[in-house]
Amino acid sequence: DGGITQSPKYLFRKEGQNVTLSCEQNLNHDAMYWYRQDPGQGLRLIYYSQIVNDFQKGDIAEGYSVSREKKESFPLTVTSAQKNPTAFYLCASSDGYNQPQHFGDGTRLSIL
Amino acid sequence: AQSVAQPEDQVNVAEGNPLTVKCTYSVSGNPYLFWYVQYPNRGLQFLLKYITGDNLVKGSYGFEAEFNKSQTSFHLKKPSALVSDSALYFCAVRPREDSNYQLIWGAGTKLIIKP
Repeated sequence: DGGITQSPKYLFRKEGQNVTLSCEQNLNHDAMYWYRQDPGQGLRLIYYSQIVNDFQKGDIAEGYSVSREKKESFPLTVTSAQKNPTAFYLCASSDGYNQPQHFGDGTRLSIL
Repeated sequence: AQSVAQPEDQVNVAEGNPLTVKCTYSVSGNPYLFWYVQYPNRGLQFLLKYITGDNLVKGSYGFEAEFNKSQTSFHLKKPSALVSDSALYFCAVRPREDSNYQLIWGAGTKLIIKP
């Protein structure tokens, strides 16, 4: 089945540590996105990429970094500069201006 | 600034009754419109979209949405609610004139269906 796989499902970060969240899709979509969701809140865009080797900052990019070396992969690194990283992180992909975004099942990141 | 509003944080409906989750938008032109549902600790699932044509759009799980251009609204509806419809619902909009695929998201509405 085609879809988006996020791993791990749960992740814990120590003080001063960088952590990387994985996102892989086999839908052959050009565009991929990372969102942050805080309890009781909507989605905020961190980074997005419309094509391999290119990505753009979203609304809350500070303290995060991404890469897009392959079409199917869009990993997100939460750096130590992100002082409040505890949240639910969602990866999505889409193909076409009028097509919906498809989401993974998320990674929940917590501070140790 | 372009925005999407979901004016109700929570909607409570008795099982078997019709439900409506409201969405209005402030976006230039005629945008593409989407509804998604999120169950606890899961990603969002696409329900339906409006691109063009008939103002009443049918989607998954018996949901439908009505596009109203004059009121810039895209309310989600279902004739008879199920307890299993209890979830968080998001409305999203993409301006047709934008050169990227980004969506403008509403804050979400928690739908609670009581037996």
